[in-house]
Parts: sequence; structure tokens; C-alpha cells
Amino acid sequence: LAKTTQPISMDSYEGQEVNITCSHNNIATNDYITWYQQFPSQGPRFIIQGYKTKVTNEVASLFIPADRKSSTLSLPRVSLSDTAVYYCLVGVPRGSYIPTFGRGTSLIVHP
Amino acid sequence: DAGITQSPRHKVTETGTPVTLRCHQTENHRYMYWYRQDPGHGLRLIHYSYGVKDTDKGEVSDGYSVSRSKTEDFLLTLESATSSQTSVYFCAISEGQGADGELFFGEGSRLTVL
Repeated sequence: LAKTTQPISMDSYEGQEVNITCSHNNIATNDYITWYQQFPSQGPRFIIQGYKTKVTNEVASLFIPADRKSSTLSLPRVSLSDTAVYYCLVGVPRGSYIPTFGRGTSLIVHP
Repeated sequence: DAGITQSPRHKVTETGTPVTLRCHQTENHRYMYWYRQDPGHGLRLIHYSYGVKDTDKGEVSDGYSVSRSKTEDFLLTLESATSSQTSVYFCAISEGQGADGELFFGEGSRLTVL
């Protein structure tokens, strides 16, 4: 399984763009990159998934460079409600995929 | 929201007693997982199941057993609870094969072992 490295914590302010980078140097050819968000006292929920280049949905964007050894989750104009822990996972989301979560990045958005 | 129900949601028990946590799904998903979450450790996989009666160990399986006799139910048992098993336990489901592997989580079960 590809190991991921993320910052433990980040701080931001309302209205700013937040970029959280995840390093996954030993990503395999078939691996996808998936991000989850977890609010306090809740289970994580899926945010976005990508394989290469850029993926965008109504919540976030995911940027993946050509070498795929890292990825960046971008949250545009964050609000207080974006305060959460964000997890980066790498793997093949098929069959006997074993989703492995690390400690994630704790994002705190300040007024 | 995915139909996942965990029970009990909160439980306080004493060291040495058996405890069973239940995860029930109405999605007919093949894969089910039990995680525990502790401060400073993120989510760690305890056991998972890839079908009825098919289960395997995760990274922190010692002291835990699981059973899946029906597609919709995945039980996590602590044979003899210890204080180190005080944690929040999350169940997750996934369709896995043929899908994007998205995990859907339950609301968690907070277990306190005194």
C-alpha cells in the first residue's frame, strides 16, 4: 500500500482558499487518490477522487501532477463549517481494496 | 445518506466483560469494515469483511473478533474488554468491485471501558 504524508494541522480564515497537500511517493500505476472529510463526532465522508490532472466537484478540486507523487486538495473560500479533519487515501478502489487512513490534516477555519 | 446503523451508539462497561457492537446496512454492499478512532491515531482498521462469512484482520485486530452471517450485519466483539479498547468505533461499507470504492460510514459507537 502506498504510504501517504500530510500536514498534521492547518489554520485558515474565512473566505480564503485552502490547499492541503498529500505526498505519496510510492503510488502504484493503478492507484487512485481519494480524499475524505470528517467533522467532529461524525464518520468520514467522501469528498473527491482522482487519478491524474485535475478533478473538480461542487465541494473541492483535486490537483495531481504528472508524476502523481503528490496531490493537492483545494477548498475555495472556506467557511467555519469547513473546520474538519481531511484524509488522503491512495489505492485501487476495486475488489479487495483496504482503505487505510492516516492521522489526516486537522483544518481549523477562524472567523 | 447510506443506510448504516450502528448500535449501541454509547456504551460504558467494565474491564473483563464481553461487548458486541453491531453494524447494520440496508445497501446490500459487499464490503464492511470496522475502524477505531483514538486521539493522535486517526482511523485504524480492526477487521473487514468481503462477503458473508468472509472476514480478515486489519492492523489492530488483537482483542477483537468479528462475524458476518448475513450481508447486512457485521458484528464486532470484544471478548474481554480492556481500558485500552476505550475508543470510538466506526463501521463503514463499500460496494468495492465495479464501483469507485467510496466508503460510507456509520455515526460511530463510543465505548468506554472502566
